[in-house]
Amino acid sequence: AQSVAQPEDQVNVAEGNPLTVKCTYSVSGNPYLFWYVQYPNRGLQFLLKYITGDNLVKGSYGFEAEFNKSQTSFHLKKPSALVSDSALYFCAVMTLTGGGNKLTFGTGTQLKVEL
Amino acid sequence: SQTIHQWPATLVQPVGSPLSLECTVEGTSNPNLYWYRQAAGRGLQLLFYSVGIGQISSEVPQNLSASRPQDRQFILSSKKLLLSDSGFYLCALRELARSYEQYFGPGTRLTVT
Repeated sequence: AQSVAQPEDQVNVAEGNPLTVKCTYSVSGNPYLFWYVQYPNRGLQFLLKYITGDNLVKGSYGFEAEFNKSQTSFHLKKPSALVSDSALYFCAVMTLTGGGNKLTFGTGTQLKVEL
Repeated sequence: SQTIHQWPATLVQPVGSPLSLECTVEGTSNPNLYWYRQAAGRGLQLLFYSVGIGQISSEVPQNLSASRPQDRQFILSSKKLLLSDSGFYLCALRELARSYEQYFGPGTRLTVT
C-alpha cells in the first residue's frame, strides 16, 4: 500500500527565515506526490505536485518542493516565511486505480510563523 | 475554472437522525468526485469516490452512503447518525482533462450530539 509520512506535528519558524516541512513516501512504482495547505475551517488548497521531470517543483505562494528519489522524500520549502503562511500542510501520494486516482494523505504538519 | 459548493456549511444533528450533505460543482464536466472526512482537525480519510453518474466506490465500510444522481452532484447520506460520524466533510473533484490534482470544496462541519 502507498503511504506518506510527515514526521513533524508542528514546525515553528521566524518570519523571514526559510522553512521546510518534511514528507517521506512509500510507493510501488513511480510516485505522484502533492502538497496541500489548509487554513482553519477551510477546504484544502492545492500548492504543487510532482509527476515527472525536474526534481525541484515550484508552486503557489512562493512554495517549492524537492523530490529526492534516493531518500524517498518530497520536502516542502520556502525561502522566506510569512506570518500568513501559518496553516496546516498535507503531503499526499496518488494511487492510480482504474480512473479513481485516489489520494492518500499524511497526518499533516502545523506550520507556525512568528514575528 | 471549476467551483465546488457544499451545504450546509455547519450542521448539528442528534444521534440516530438522518443525514444528507450535498456537493455540487460548476465549470467542469464529467469530473471524478470524492468525499473525505477529517476528524480532529487532522487526518483526511477518503470515504467514497465516483467516476460517473451512478458509479460509487466505497473506501471504508461504515454508517454512510453516497450517490451521484447527476454529473455535477454528489450526495453523502446516512440513515442513522452515530457520534463517531462527527467531523469535517470535504468534497473534492478531479478534472479528467487536466492533470492529477484534486480540488476541494469549503467543507461541512458536522457535529452529532
